[in-house]
Order: sequence, then C-alpha cells, then structure tokens
Amino acid sequence: SAVISQKPSRDICQRGTSLTIQCQVDSQVTMMFWYRQQPGQSLTLIATANQGSEATYESGFVIDKFPISRPNLTFSTLTVSNMSPEDSSIYLCSVGGLAVSDTQYFGPGTRLTVL
Amino acid sequence: KQEVTQIPAALSVPEGENLVLNCSFTDSAIYNLQWFRQDPGKGLTSLLLIQSSQREQTSGRLNASLDKSSGRSTLYIAASQPGDSATYLCASGTYKYIFGTGTRLKVLA
Repeated sequence: SAVISQKPSRDICQRGTSLTIQCQVDSQVTMMFWYRQQPGQSLTLIATANQGSEATYESGFVIDKFPISRPNLTFSTLTVSNMSPEDSSIYLCSVGGLAVSDTQYFGPGTRLTVL
Repeated sequence: KQEVTQIPAALSVPEGENLVLNCSFTDSAIYNLQWFRQDPGKGLTSLLLIQSSQREQTSGRLNASLDKSSGRSTLYIAASQPGDSATYLCASGTYKYIFGTGTRLKVLA
C-alpha cells in the first residue's frame, strides 16, 4: 500500500488569490491523480500528473486554472488559481501503479473554502 | 462515456442488520470496479477491488460482486455496526476512475 499526505489539510482563501496543494507519497509511484469533490457531490478527476511532462487534463479543466507539477515519482502539487467561491471543494490526490490490478489509494484531502 | 450511479443515496439501518449497496454503470467494458469508504472530513479508504475478470471479492464482513453483463456491482455488509456509518463510493475504471454518487449509510446503535 501507499501512504499519502497532503498539505494543507484545509484553508480559507480570499477570492482572486491562488493556493498550492502538496501531495507526498511514501514510495515511488507511476501514476498520480488529482480529484475534486464539490460539496455534496462525488469525486471528479481533474488531471493526471505526469512526471517530467505536462499534466493531462480532463474535459472541463484547464492548465491555466489548475497548474500541476510533478518533479519526481513521490511528489506533486496542484495550484488552484484566481479562486472564486465555486472552487470551494475538497481536493484529493491519489496514486496507482502501472498494473491495472493495482488498488488506487487516496490522500486525506485538502478542504478549501473560498470567500 | 461511463456513468456510475448508486442507489440508495442514503440508508439508515439498525445495528446487526445485513445490507446491500448498489452500483450501476453504463459501459460494460469496465476494467476495475472499486469500492471505497469515506468518513466525514476525511479521504477515501479502499475497501475492495474487483478486476474485470473476477466476479466477487471478500474482506471480513464485506463482500462485493460484479456483474458486467447487467452493469451492476453490489456491496454486501454483514452484521452492520455503528462504526460502518460512512459514505460508500463505487468507482469504475483502469488507472483513472469515474465515481458513483455515493450512498450515505448510518447504522443505529
């Protein structure tokens, strides 16, 4: 299994500012993902964080709004840019391996509130 | 595009009852079907993973089944306990998952 930590665990931010969320894994993993969970909703995949190349974004999500870095196989960051109240959500990092039989593991999440 | 639906949205049962949570998906060409548990204010905990070639998985009081032909998966919880109270999510996919809408379970002592 993989142990995943996220920082910060929660934050309250002002409209128009940006927040960078960090995800740290205790072992090297091939696949890292960022999800968003809006209030009362299920999880939606934002992007796949690729090591050494640009992230792959899902429909409805763009790099300018959610820039992602993946400098190595154990760490990734997600920035929520130019925030609005609609960005208030829980942001979760997850990891999985190359083998499709791998369980996907999730971090504890970052609860973001935008005023 | 795969869509995943869970019924019921919420469920309240007395302690000790056996219960079934349902998950439906539209694309039968799924690879993995994974069940997660989410406690309030916390991340997701993986409960059971069923690969496409499998029909069920068991862990303790939990049993998950997968019927690709009907587009359904069920999570069976035996002898429910108050500690089982949480939101249960099913997710379909390979490396990236599409999540269901979740079932909020409350087990009453």
